[in-house]
Amino acid sequence: LAKTTQPISMDSYEGQEVNITCSHNNIATNDYITWYQQFPSQGPRFIIQGYKTKVTNEVASLFIPADRKSSTLSLPRVSLSDTAVYYCLVGLQYNFNKFYFGSGTKLNVKP
Amino acid sequence: GAGVSQSPSNKVTEKGKDVELRCDPISGHTALYWYRQSLGQGLEFLIYFQGNSAPDKSGLPSDRFSAERTGESVSTLTIQRTQQEDSAVYLCASSLKDYTYEQYFGPGTRLTVT
Repeated sequence: LAKTTQPISMDSYEGQEVNITCSHNNIATNDYITWYQQFPSQGPRFIIQGYKTKVTNEVASLFIPADRKSSTLSLPRVSLSDTAVYYCLVGLQYNFNKFYFGSGTKLNVKP
Repeated sequence: GAGVSQSPSNKVTEKGKDVELRCDPISGHTALYWYRQSLGQGLEFLIYFQGNSAPDKSGLPSDRFSAERTGESVSTLTIQRTQQEDSAVYLCASSLKDYTYEQYFGPGTRLTVT
C-alpha cells in the first residue's frame, strides 16, 4: 500500500484558493488517489477521487501529473467552514487491503 | 437519506470491562469498515466486512478486539478487557460498492477507558 506525505498544516484566508499537495512516490500502476475532509468531532467525508490528469466536482479539483507521484487538491475560494483536516489516500480501487489515512493536513482558514 | 449511525456516541468504562459498539450502515451498502482514531492522530483501519465473505481482520490490534456483522446490516465491535490505550474514537463507514475508497462515515463513538 502506497504511503503518502502531506504538509502537517496550512494557513489560508477566506476567498483564497488553497492547494494541498500529497506525495506518493511508490504509487502502483492501478492505484487510485482519494481525498477526504474531516471536521472536528465528525467522521471523514469523501471529497474527490482520481487516477490521472484532472478531476473536478462541485467541491474541489484534483490535479495529477503524468508520473502520478504526487497529487494536488485544489479548493476554490475557501471559507471559514473549510477549516478541517484533509487526508490523501492511495491504493487499489477494487482490491482493498487496508486504508492508510496518515496524519493529514490541517487547513486553518482565517477571516 | 439516512447516513451511517453509531451508538453510543460516548462511552466511559472502567479498565478491564467489556464494551460493545454498534454501527448501522447506509441501507443497501454492501461493505462496512471499522476504524479508530486516537486524539490528534490519523485513522487506523481495524476490520472490513463485504457481503457474506469472511471479514478482513488484519487490522485488529489484539485478540481482545472482535467484530460481527449480520448480513448486510448492523455491525458490532466488541472490545474485551478494555485497557486505557483503547481510548479513542471508533468510526464506522460503509460503501455501496465492493472494495472502494468512496466510503461514508458515521459520527463515531468516543470511548474513554478509566
